Amino acid sequence: AQKVTQAQTEISVVEKEDVTLDCVYETRDTTYYLFWYKQPPSGELVFLIRRNSFDEQNEISGRYSWNFQKSTSSFNFTITASQVVDSAVYFCALSEAVSNFGNEKLTFGTGTRLTIIP
Amino acid sequence: GAVVSQHPSRVICKSGTSVKIECRSLDFQATTMFWYRQFPKKSLMLMATSNEGSKATYEQGVEKDKFLINHASLTLSTLTVTSAHPEDSSFYICSASSTSGLPPYEQYFGPGTRLTVT
Repeated sequence: AQKVTQAQTEISVVEKEDVTLDCVYETRDTTYYLFWYKQPPSGELVFLIRRNSFDEQNEISGRYSWNFQKSTSSFNFTITASQVVDSAVYFCALSEAVSNFGNEKLTFGTGTRLTIIP
Repeated sequence: GAVVSQHPSRVICKSGTSVKIECRSLDFQATTMFWYRQFPKKSLMLMATSNEGSKATYEQGVEKDKFLINHASLTLSTLTVTSAHPEDSSFYICSASSTSGLPPYEQYFGPGTRLTVT
């Protein structure tokens, strides 16, 4: 069974500080996908990144960066120079290898509530 | 592209009544739609997966007769909460997946529907 653990339930940092959100996953599949989503107070999920299990290259997108470590089953997310607009709940998710019918299921972690203090 | 809408965004109903929530893919054909439920400050839990033209597949513990799902077309899926009770109050989120093009097939999320049963 798949499992995603986000041990940090809530984090508060002062604006402009860097912050890392942890994600640890469990799966028996050799092919899988990892995701990060942002959920602002409005509730709508905002897709941030998808990473497949064969690509361990770290990725940077503006102030966001992701560190995928297969050896430790972790997919951590770092925000540098945080801003108030980054305040949201962030979910890490895992999906098994996709089928031909798009029936892949997402297993979500419990989320980390990030508050950026002005 | 890849926009998913939900209607209504908020609904308040009396205990014992039924409520229908619509999920539409606006600019693509969704062969598969997923329904999630999110309790306050909790993670998203998959309720069911629906493929166009066939019966939905429900996750363990989700009552089929309570949460009726219909995926009648490639752009519309509906979730009907029958005989709603206060414990059904929650945030319901749908996602849609298309199998056009090459995999992996991204899931696109709707903005969610907040149901309050009084």
